[in-house]
Amino acid sequence: EPEVTQTPSHQVTQMGQEVILRCVPISNHLYFYWYRQILGQKVEFLVSFYNNEISEKSEIFDDQFSVERPDGSNFTLKIRSTKLEDSAMYFCASSERRPAGTRGYTFGSGTRLTVV
Amino acid sequence: GEDVEQSLFLSVREGDSSVINCTYTDSSSTYLYWYKQEPGAGLQLLTYIFSNMDMKQDQRLTVLLNKKDKHLSLRIADTQTGDSAIYFCAETHDNYGQNFVFGPGTRLSVLP
Repeated sequence: EPEVTQTPSHQVTQMGQEVILRCVPISNHLYFYWYRQILGQKVEFLVSFYNNEISEKSEIFDDQFSVERPDGSNFTLKIRSTKLEDSAMYFCASSERRPAGTRGYTFGSGTRLTVV
Repeated sequence: GEDVEQSLFLSVREGDSSVINCTYTDSSSTYLYWYKQEPGAGLQLLTYIFSNMDMKQDQRLTVLLNKKDKHLSLRIADTQTGDSAIYFCAETHDNYGQNFVFGPGTRLSVLP
């Protein structure tokens, strides 16, 4: 079963530092997403990405955030200057088509970001 | 905006049936999904139901949809300790390719 791979599984960073969260989506998928889950809260949509550009973004995805597909396999989320409230589990997902239909999205196992 | 709600906790005994409930507000929902999250793992798609269906059965899983009341349930028959996890209800609608809206998740604990 193809998987979405995320690295690292856990990252600790100091407030104000930049972090890059990495994801390798499923190879034949064309649509990519980032979601986050603050501890005890809902899984929230951050951004969707297709054809090398952002398709949609939520209010959470402000100027501190950026996404990139630097090569044919990786999909990254960068937070420029982390704040304490950025501490969360960040999930990458990909889908073959959009709308996702019967297959839904395939999610990675997440990167737990802790900002201290 | 759209909202999805679930009860947060459910405990059942091994061998019993579990029923996890979900309510949603988006009347345009096209697909509704159940995802499972085991400790330290990602979100695993368990099953889905299309909005024009009332019921879908997949082995031990039964999904019931009451579109009028915007109520979705997941029944797990013969619940096993390996079913202990957090179960997320999620909805989307096709027309605009909207992104998933997740519920808060129900933590299912299966007692021996």
